[in-house]
Amino acid sequence: AQSVTQPDIHITVSEGASLELRCNYSYGATPYLFWYVQSPGQGLQLLLKYFSGDTLVQGIKGFEAEFKRSQSSFNLRKPSVHWSDAAEYFCAVGENNNDMRFGAGTRLTVKP
Amino acid sequence: DAGITQSPRHKVTETGTPVTLRCHQTENHRYMYWYRQDPGHGLRLIHYSYGVKDTDKGEVSDGYSVSRSKTEDFLLTLESATSSQTSVYFCAISESIRPGDAGANVLTFGAGSRLTVL
Repeated sequence: AQSVTQPDIHITVSEGASLELRCNYSYGATPYLFWYVQSPGQGLQLLLKYFSGDTLVQGIKGFEAEFKRSQSSFNLRKPSVHWSDAAEYFCAVGENNNDMRFGAGTRLTVKP
Repeated sequence: DAGITQSPRHKVTETGTPVTLRCHQTENHRYMYWYRQDPGHGLRLIHYSYGVKDTDKGEVSDGYSVSRSKTEDFLLTLESATSSQTSVYFCAISESIRPGDAGANVLTFGAGSRLTVL
């Protein structure tokens, strides 16, 4: 069965530091991959997606993610974190409209 | 903006009472979904709909029913609420970004409905 693992429940980084959030998946084929962000009390907003092609994808708010097939990973990165990036981040994988699986989420805290 | 409205946004109810959550969309999307969000579990699919009167179960459908009598409205009903159904419920629609590719779609979420069952 497909699954998504986000190994880090909570990460704290200093403002201006780089960020990497990890996501590993278990899937029979190459799935479609997503990162969503959720600010407190809000719904989820799509940051970026990978369907095919270039394995390094750019998203909104300066985020990028790299698909590594050999490692079954789709890690999210940002070179310099801003205080407004504090939120919860969810990795998701799916094959079709009705088969989207989400990770448990990583909560990001940004220190001044 | 997919124009998704969830109501109510907050509800407190007692065990054994029926509860209905409503999701309303304004852009004629075919696919609609109900997810629940719980700490440590991320989001889990409860039910989804692929058209008027066309619905199917998701990963955690026990204790929930849905109805879709109009394209714009997708209702989630807890016939007899239990404390284990205390959660935040999100409605979502699916937008295809690559015609002909069933998987090339992204979800857009509503703001959520926080339900507390005492």
